[in-house]
Amino acid sequence: AQTVTQSQPEMSVQEAETVTLSCTYDTSESDYYLFWYKQPPSRQMILVIRQEAYKQQNATENRFSVNFQKAAKSFSLKISDSQLGDAAMYFCAYSGGGADGLTFGKGTHLIIQP
Amino acid sequence: EAGVTQSPTHLIKTRGQQATLRCSPISGHTSVYWYQQALGLGLQFLLWYDEGEERNRGNFPPRFSGRQFPNYSSELNVNALELEDSALYLCASSFRATGRDTEAFFGQGTRLTVV
Repeated sequence: AQTVTQSQPEMSVQEAETVTLSCTYDTSESDYYLFWYKQPPSRQMILVIRQEAYKQQNATENRFSVNFQKAAKSFSLKISDSQLGDAAMYFCAYSGGGADGLTFGKGTHLIIQP
Repeated sequence: EAGVTQSPTHLIKTRGQQATLRCSPISGHTSVYWYQQALGLGLQFLLWYDEGEERNRGNFPPRFSGRQFPNYSSELNVNALELEDSALYLCASSFRATGRDTEAFFGQGTRLTVV
């Protein structure tokens, strides 16, 4: 079974600074997808960024980028120019193709200090 | 375009009762996933419905069940409620099975409290 580990229960960063959230996963599959989801207090999960395992290039979405290290099974999220609205729980998730849905890590609570 | 909608927003039940949670996917989406987000346990996969059929279920007892209707909306039923069933239940929909080349969109969840 696949597992996803987020080793940072909580992170704090000053507004406008850069922060990196860590995620490691375990799988025997070669083709899969990785995601970062954001869950603000409103509870709704919002997709931040996705990475296809077969793509070597790291995904980027505006201020959000990932460092995908397939051999090391590592998938970290970098948030540049942190904003107050970035404060939320961030979940790393793995998908191998649908049958088991998404496998989530336990999340990292990101605090933005003004 | 309407997103994934879940009802009710909050639900309070007594231990031993049954709870019914509902989910309407985004128009055109045929896959519906249910997740349980219990405090301290993260999100856990519960059930997957696609084209009206249950395709897979997570490691949950049979008292967790559901169905998908012809319009692709879905219902999650939890029988013989236990205190530990208290959690946020999230529904997600996608055009096809999550992962290959599609994105799962989540609803805002139903907060179930068992007293």
